[in-house]
Amino acid sequence: GQQVQQSPASLVLQEGENAELQCNFSTSLNSMQWFYQRPGGSLVSLFYNPSGTKHSGRLTSTTVIKERRSSLHISSSQTTDSGTYLCAPDTNAYKVIFGKGTHLHVLP
Amino acid sequence: EAAVTQSPRNKVTVTGGNVTLSCRQTNSHNYMYWYRQDTGHGLRLIHYSYGAGNLQIGDVPDGYKATRTTQEDFFLLLELASPSQTSLYFCASRDWGGSETLYFGSGTRLTVL
Repeated sequence: GQQVQQSPASLVLQEGENAELQCNFSTSLNSMQWFYQRPGGSLVSLFYNPSGTKHSGRLTSTTVIKERRSSLHISSSQTTDSGTYLCAPDTNAYKVIFGKGTHLHVLP
Repeated sequence: EAAVTQSPRNKVTVTGGNVTLSCRQTNSHNYMYWYRQDTGHGLRLIHYSYGAGNLQIGDVPDGYKATRTTQEDFFLLLELASPSQTSLYFCASRDWGGSETLYFGSGTRLTVL
């Protein structure tokens, strides 16, 4: 079946450091969605990225469709970035599945 | 911003009990999804639907029924709840062909004793 692999599984940073999160998908995809889950549980959309690079503040998403992968770069991390980052490939099917996430902890 | 409302926020039941989780979206999205989230497993898809009366099977459907009564409303039913169904449940909606991102509800934390 389809598999979504996220790495690293967990990451601890000192405030101000950068982070690179990876998401790989086992079959073809049209786009990649990235979500942030707050420690309290709520989920927010960060990017819907069909190809290339997108920016939002200190966040950058890069998707390479041919290689079935996407990355999320966080620059100058802050303690408020702590939480879980989830990716979800967009395919021609209508079901949407997720990776297990990267758990990020930013220390002051 | 699309609105997805889940109820209840928290629910405690006993083994064998009946539970219904509700989800309403107010943006006429085509697709609605139910996920469960457990430590070590991420978000796992239970059921989804592309319109009123339609139901599609997800990856972890055992022990769950679902029903899409209207474009707005999607229900998840646990008819004989078991402790293994203790989890955080999320509903999401999406307008395929529109913005194409998923919008999530705030989640329902279910405890089965």
